[in-house]
Amino acid sequence: QKEVEQNSGPLSVPEGAIASLNCTYSDRGSQSFFWYRQYSGKSPELIMSIYSNGDKEDGRFTAQLNKASQYVSLLIRDSQPSDSATYLCAVNGGAGSYQLTFGKGTKLSVIP
Amino acid sequence: ETGVTQTPRHLVMGMTNKKSLKCEQHLGHNAMYWYKQSAKKPLELMFVYSLEERVENNSVPSRFSPECPNSSHLFLHLHTLQPEDSALYLCASSQDRGGLDEQFFGPGTRLTVL
Repeated sequence: QKEVEQNSGPLSVPEGAIASLNCTYSDRGSQSFFWYRQYSGKSPELIMSIYSNGDKEDGRFTAQLNKASQYVSLLIRDSQPSDSATYLCAVNGGAGSYQLTFGKGTKLSVIP
Repeated sequence: ETGVTQTPRHLVMGMTNKKSLKCEQHLGHNAMYWYKQSAKKPLELMFVYSLEERVENNSVPSRFSPECPNSSHLFLHLHTLQPEDSALYLCASSQDRGGLDEQFFGPGTRLTVL
């Protein structure tokens, strides 16, 4: 069974600090990786996608992928209280698969 | 707004009722998805349609019946549900590159089964 593991948190960081969120996955055939942000009572919002090993930066967000270690992470620089949410890691089941497996999410709290 | 809308946003129904959830996407995507999100559990994929054809059905009970009349609309027909079916039901769509695409979610329908 394909699994995506995340530390449930809560992860607390002070405003302005770097928040680091981690995710591991079990399926070596996975080819696409996503980070979603979900505010309480709302639906998931896509914030980053990554397909190749290395780093991908978008504003204050950086996604990192290491397929050999089956590890994907999300860094949030200059964290703001508005970043407080649950962050979901999602991993695709490989070419031809529509299956997107989600982790349970890490709850991030940014303290003013 | 992601370009994916869902109605109703909230639904309370009895176990003997029949109701339907509706999803519409305005993104020109070819694939649409139904997910279930329960408390303390990860999102669970229920159904996937690609170009109106069902391509994934993840062992969902028959009391949930999907319908995709065209690539912009998706329905989830509900009948004789159980209280444990209470959850947030999310619709998503993607461009459709064999499942590698980013999926965009609608706001969800919060379902309560009494």
